[in-house]
Amino acid sequence: DAKTTQPPSMDCAEGRAANLPCNHSTISGNEYVYWYRQIHSQGPQYIIHGLKNNETNEMASLIITEDRKSSTLILPHATLRDTAVYYCIVRLSSNTGKLIFGQGTTLQVKP
Amino acid sequence: GAVVSQHPSRVICKSGTSVKIECRSLDFQATTMFWYRQFPKQSLMLMATSNEGSKATYEQGVEKDKFLINHASLTLSTLTVTSAHPEDSSFYICSARVASGGHRGTEAFFGQGTRLTVV
Repeated sequence: DAKTTQPPSMDCAEGRAANLPCNHSTISGNEYVYWYRQIHSQGPQYIIHGLKNNETNEMASLIITEDRKSSTLILPHATLRDTAVYYCIVRLSSNTGKLIFGQGTTLQVKP
Repeated sequence: GAVVSQHPSRVICKSGTSVKIECRSLDFQATTMFWYRQFPKQSLMLMATSNEGSKATYEQGVEKDKFLINHASLTLSTLTVTSAHPEDSSFYICSARVASGGHRGTEAFFGQGTRLTVV
């Protein structure tokens, strides 16, 4: 699975959009980009995933660049409850569900 | 979404004793479950892959005789930390993969984690 690079930490004002970047320059054509988050002392929670097209669900939007070497997770209106560590993971869709976590980005939403 | 339950959520044990952690998929069948360990301020580290009815596959550096994994049914996997020592104190998290019919992107569902403290 391709390696990802994320900034270690970010701050965001409550109510504003949080844009979390992820670099995955060695991604291959059949690898998906997944985002999970982990709120303190809880198990990770799935957010969104995509292959090449931008995706949106009730939690977030995922913007993948045309060359697929990077992506951005967007939380449109961040709340204090969105404070968490966000993990960007790249893996094959045929993978058994095994996830290799990097260091992630600690997002602090401030009032 | 599918629910994965871990028990206990928190356990304190004496050094030298064994501790069993359960991971259950409550509303789906899981042919594969994964066990992770997380130390404070660090990321999740995959320990092993647990397959129903067969031996677990351990990641490099994880002692299989110390961390016993049993996956006897499609809804239950257990992790037993044998002869626990203070350095085994950690946050243990399981995840389960939907056996069939699951959405591709949400194949792995996580439990809430077990905080183990060895004193």
